Amino acid sequence: EDKVVQSPLSLVVHEGDTVTLNCSYEVTNFRSLLWYKQEKKAPTFLFMLTSSGIEKKSGRLSSILDKKELFSILNITATQTGDSAVYLCAAPSNFGNEKLTFGTGTRLTIIP
Amino acid sequence: NAGVTQTPKFRILKIGQSMTLQCAQDMNHNYMYWYRQDPGMGLKLIYYSVGAGITDKGEVPNGYNVSRSTTEDFPLRLELAAPSQTSVYFCASSRGLAGGPTGELFFGEGSRLTVL
Repeated sequence: EDKVVQSPLSLVVHEGDTVTLNCSYEVTNFRSLLWYKQEKKAPTFLFMLTSSGIEKKSGRLSSILDKKELFSILNITATQTGDSAVYLCAAPSNFGNEKLTFGTGTRLTIIP
Repeated sequence: NAGVTQTPKFRILKIGQSMTLQCAQDMNHNYMYWYRQDPGMGLKLIYYSVGAGITDKGEVPNGYNVSRSTTEDFPLRLELAAPSQTSVYFCASSRGLAGGPTGELFFGEGSRLTVL
């Protein structure tokens, strides 16, 4: 069975801190790994990673994939209260090629 | 620029009642999905569709049905509601295969369903 495991489950930091969120996966025929941010409502897309060692960046957020060790990390530098959210990672599984297997998410809380 | 629209946003059902969650997208996406999200759990795929007239089961299809008569609409029907179906339901769409080059999923804002 395909698995995506995220850690930590929750994290509370002060504004300005840097955080690292972890995602490990066991997925048959791995193709890509996706990160989403979920505030109060719909998850919104952050990154799609397909190649090891290639860092994706968007402002203060960055992510990297290690296909040998089967994990990805999401870094957020100089955190702001608007970064408070649940961060989800997901990978397409071999189930009909249309299914994304999601992790349970990391709930990040930024204290002003 | 609506994206994916779900209705209703909230609903309370009694055990044994039936209802339909509506989902519409205006991005001309081929792929559409229904997920449920239980507290502390990841999103679980209920049903998906790769185009009008084609649907298939996901991980947790029992107690649900779908149809896809048009590219835009993908309603989810709950038959004989049970407390185990209390959850937040998300509809999503993508242009291409999930996780593929154009496989970014766009989500609706969710429908919170409570079965009492």
